[in-house]
Amino acid sequence: SQTIHQWPATLVQPVGSPLSLECTVEGTSNPNLYWYRQAAGRGLQLLFYSVGIGQISSEVPQNLSASRPQDRQFILSSKKLLLSDSGFYLCAWTPTDSNQPQHFGDGTRLSIL
Amino acid sequence: DAKTTQPPSMDCAEGRAANLPCNHSTISGNEYVYWYRQIHSQGPQYIIHGLKNNETNEMASLIITEDRKSSTLILPHATLRDTAVYYCIVRVVYYGQNFVFGPGTRLSVLP
Repeated sequence: SQTIHQWPATLVQPVGSPLSLECTVEGTSNPNLYWYRQAAGRGLQLLFYSVGIGQISSEVPQNLSASRPQDRQFILSSKKLLLSDSGFYLCAWTPTDSNQPQHFGDGTRLSIL
Repeated sequence: DAKTTQPPSMDCAEGRAANLPCNHSTISGNEYVYWYRQIHSQGPQYIIHGLKNNETNEMASLIITEDRKSSTLILPHATLRDTAVYYCIVRVVYYGQNFVFGPGTRLSVLP
């Protein structure tokens, strides 16, 4: 069966520091991968999605970037974190070219001090 | 913007059926309706999805109206652990398979 792993679960970082969050999917190949952010008490905002290695689409302009160095690995990065980058970050995947549902990781809670 | 409208909150007594409505009046013929729920500080959990026929699984039932402009998620015997935010989503096909999450319905199951 397929599983999605996301780490770390929580992270506290100072303003101006770099960021790297990692997400990996097991048990499938060529998945579509997604990064979402959720502010406290709000819905999910899609940040990036990827349909293949090296293919990244950005949904909103921001201080973050994403990369997909391997088929089942999706990384969210920042060179210099801002206070507004605080939030709950979620990685998700779907099979390619299907109406199957999206499955989420357990999320990373990022606090910027 | 989300293509669905849901009430912001609902209460349900423990053991009773919880019926969560969703309006999606602009849904197109090949768009599916998906339901997820999110318990505090966890990732959203997939519940059920459907196109036009009613669907049932071990978690819930999904009733879609004949004109497909609205649907209802039914939790047949709600428990305290069903307290969560429930999201109704109409799948928007862009370059990938993007799911647009709105604010959802906060369901509180009361003892």
